[in-house]
Amino acid sequence: AQSVTQPDIHITVSEGASLELRCNYSYGATPYLFWYVQSPGQGLQLLLKYFSGDTLVQGIKGFEAEFKRSQSSFNLRKPSVHWSDAAEYFCAVGASTDSWGKLQFGAGTQVVVTP
Amino acid sequence: DGGITQSPKYLFRKEGQNVTLSCEQNLNHDAMYWYRQDPGQGLRLIYYSQIVNDFQKGDIAEGYSVSREKKESFPLTVTSAQKNPTAFYLCASSKLKDTQYFGPGTRLTVL
Repeated sequence: AQSVTQPDIHITVSEGASLELRCNYSYGATPYLFWYVQSPGQGLQLLLKYFSGDTLVQGIKGFEAEFKRSQSSFNLRKPSVHWSDAAEYFCAVGASTDSWGKLQFGAGTQVVVTP
Repeated sequence: DGGITQSPKYLFRKEGQNVTLSCEQNLNHDAMYWYRQDPGQGLRLIYYSQIVNDFQKGDIAEGYSVSREKKESFPLTVTSAQKNPTAFYLCASSKLKDTQYFGPGTRLTVL
């Protein structure tokens, strides 16, 4: 069965510290991968995506993610967090063979930024 | 301004009522999607549509219905058959096999 796991439900990080959010997936087909961010009561905003090519992907707001096929992972990183990075982050995976582009979402990781 | 709009932002439903959530996009996207979001569960797909007058059930379609009479519009009806409709509902659209972009959401509460 296809699945996406975000092992960390909640992460607290100090402003200026580095951040890494984990995402693991189980997919039979070649995946394409996304990270979205959601502020309270808002829709989801795309941070970055991986379809093919370079496995290190740069996104908006200083985020990057690395696709590691051998580990079935797509972890999100930011070298220095800002208070405005406090939000919920979702990893999503789709199958490249799926013509509908349906995505499977992880349960999300809530990030709290402390002064 | 291109984008996806959802209305209303907040919606209250009495027991036994049907309610309809609106989703409109002017991005010329072929595909549209409806998701339900509950705390701690991520997003779950309700219905999706690739072309006008065609749509498919997602993972949790029971108690919901949709229509796709126009490319720009994909309304979702939450029927009285949906036993626990209180949730945050998100609409998304995309080109085929491409990135999904999301609307701002509608929060539905059953009174």
